[in-house]
Amino acid sequence: KAGVTQTPRYLIKTRGQQVTLSCSPISGHRSVSWYQQTPGQGLQFLFEYFSETQRNKGNFPGRFSGRQFSNSRSEMNVSTLELGDSALYLCASRRAGLLNNEQFFGPGTRLTVL
Amino acid sequence: AQTVTQSQPEMSVQEAETVTLSCTYDTSENNYYLFWYKQPPSRQMILVIRQEAYKQQNATENRFSVNFQKAAKSFSLKISDSQLGDTAMYFCAFGVSSGDKLTFGTGTRLAVRP
Repeated sequence: KAGVTQTPRYLIKTRGQQVTLSCSPISGHRSVSWYQQTPGQGLQFLFEYFSETQRNKGNFPGRFSGRQFSNSRSEMNVSTLELGDSALYLCASRRAGLLNNEQFFGPGTRLTVL
Repeated sequence: AQTVTQSQPEMSVQEAETVTLSCTYDTSENNYYLFWYKQPPSRQMILVIRQEAYKQQNATENRFSVNFQKAAKSFSLKISDSQLGDTAMYFCAFGVSSGDKLTFGTGTRLAVRP
């Protein structure tokens, strides 16, 4: 079974631009979560989608948004990029269910903002 | 809100020896999960072991075991017979049963010396 895939793996943008990152979950997984990883702040939860609906949201500005498609693939968008948005963005998927909270992570997208 | 604290930024262990990584957490939840994730230099986050809060028995996975002290809100990871491939960042994480958001600690960088 294929793991979580993220595209692109590396991205370089300039301040003020916007960016879209993509995540394909493990087949059968309906929940997708996004995390931002930086040396200073560590791993922080961005948001989680289930059945095309945002179920949970972290403490990030409105410039960060996401969506999920009917095939469970998810995208996250960051508008008006700032230098501080440079980070590794991790996507995680899980098979939804109250008793199963194991998340499987993708390799991440390394975003550099110049 | 939940917090997870890992007080050891870096640790080192000789190959074949045993090492224990510490983690404490704070929560008012009664039903939750605790995890240890490993992030090797390749950046792919991998689940090492998980513990359900309602289970008194400590989880074990081959060379990896935890010491879960619910009253003390402590969740340490013991790695026995350390191998070079265990070199990685280790993150302790907390998850609530009904949700997908994981709260991570700041990580412990483990180096296994040959």
